[in-house]
Order: sequence, then C-alpha cells, then structure tokens
Amino acid sequence: GAVVSQHPSRVICKSGTSVKIECRSLDFQATTMFWYRQFPKQSLMLMATSNEGSKATYEQGVEKDKFLINHASLTLSTLTVTSAHPEDSSFYICSARPSGRIQETQYFGPGTRLLVL
Amino acid sequence: ELKVEQNPLFLSMQEGKNYTIYCNYSTTSDRLYWYRQDPGKSLESLFVLLSNGAVKQEGRLMASLDTKARLSTLHITAAVHDLSATYFCAVDLTGTASKLTFGTGTRLQVTL
Repeated sequence: GAVVSQHPSRVICKSGTSVKIECRSLDFQATTMFWYRQFPKQSLMLMATSNEGSKATYEQGVEKDKFLINHASLTLSTLTVTSAHPEDSSFYICSARPSGRIQETQYFGPGTRLLVL
Repeated sequence: ELKVEQNPLFLSMQEGKNYTIYCNYSTTSDRLYWYRQDPGKSLESLFVLLSNGAVKQEGRLMASLDTKARLSTLHITAAVHDLSATYFCAVDLTGTASKLTFGTGTRLQVTL
C-alpha cells in the first residue's frame, strides 16, 4: 500500500515551453501533497505544499507564477513549469501524506527528470 | 532556520565493516526520517523515528534518535555492496509529517 506515481518519468522540452508533471496517490487519499526539487548530487529542497481545494503554499524563493500547482482532487496534484529554461532542469519529486490517519510520514513518488534544452 | 547536517558526506568502506552516519539538526524536533536514494531514483523510506530514544533496526541498518542532543545515527553493520547508495535524514518540525528539511546526504560506497 501507500503508492505514489508520477508522470512523466522523464521529459525533454525546448526552452520557453511549459511542462506539466502529475503526482497521484494510487491507493490512498491525500489532502496534502508536497513538491521537491533535487539538483545533481544535492539534497532535496521543498518547493511547495499542495493542499486539495486550496492554494498551494510556496517556500521562500520559489516563484509561484513559474511553478503552478493544482490539487484538484484527493489523489492528484500537478506541477506545471511555465516558460521553462535550462536552469529549471532538475529532478522533481512529489510526495503525499495520507488523509484521515495519524500523520506519521510522507510517501514519495518515483520522480520526474526534466531537461530543458 | 533549521539546519540539518550529515557526517560524513562521503563514505567508502569495505564489505564486512561497521560504520555510523551522523545527522545533526539545529532546532528541537522529535520526528526524524531516514531515506535511501539509489542513483537516478527517488527516495526509499528506511526508518521513521517519532520520539526521543527511538531505535529501529532493519537488516544491517539501525537508526536511533536522541532529541536532547539533536542527533540521529544510522549504524551499518557488516556492510555489503548492496548498501551502496546515498542516505538522507530529514527532520520534521511540525509534528505532522509536513515540511521535511533534508540533510546534506551521505554517499556510501561499499567496496568488495
């Protein structure tokens, strides 16, 4: 149980285009999901907290107009990188925290590798 | 601002040896997580430590948490090559598994 999927797993796009990444909790509902970013050989940095039915909470330094987050249902959050540039190339990982249970942990998706040319 | 530091950043060890990875954090918390990451992959949850003095073991790995010292350790016993990976600790200040702050990571290489 507690499986989180991401789609796509890998995407290459041209500079200036937008890319949408989906994060789904497959066997549980998640009121809250999280988006992280990881550069090569670095740690994970929390970008934003996605809340079902309300606006996302962004961490300091993360441009909310560039990284659009939508959490329209209890099993799906999306991250759209708008007008992507080469410096947005990174590994994006989402996680989900089950609703209605003792909130002990987050479950991580497999990640999406974005390369902007 | 919470800082989470791991020591060492890189560890090369021979199979069969024991070693400990340390995770120090700067703000009081009684929730700490350990994860493993293989190259090109996402995170695999290893341990969830939810109170002072918590100790958990799985196979050759054992994790402990000392909230008073703001320190967690990940002990490796009789290392095998399959344990080669990067290990991260993460601290939760909220108490609700929100807003994890990750450590710097320790890249472990176990040589034959």
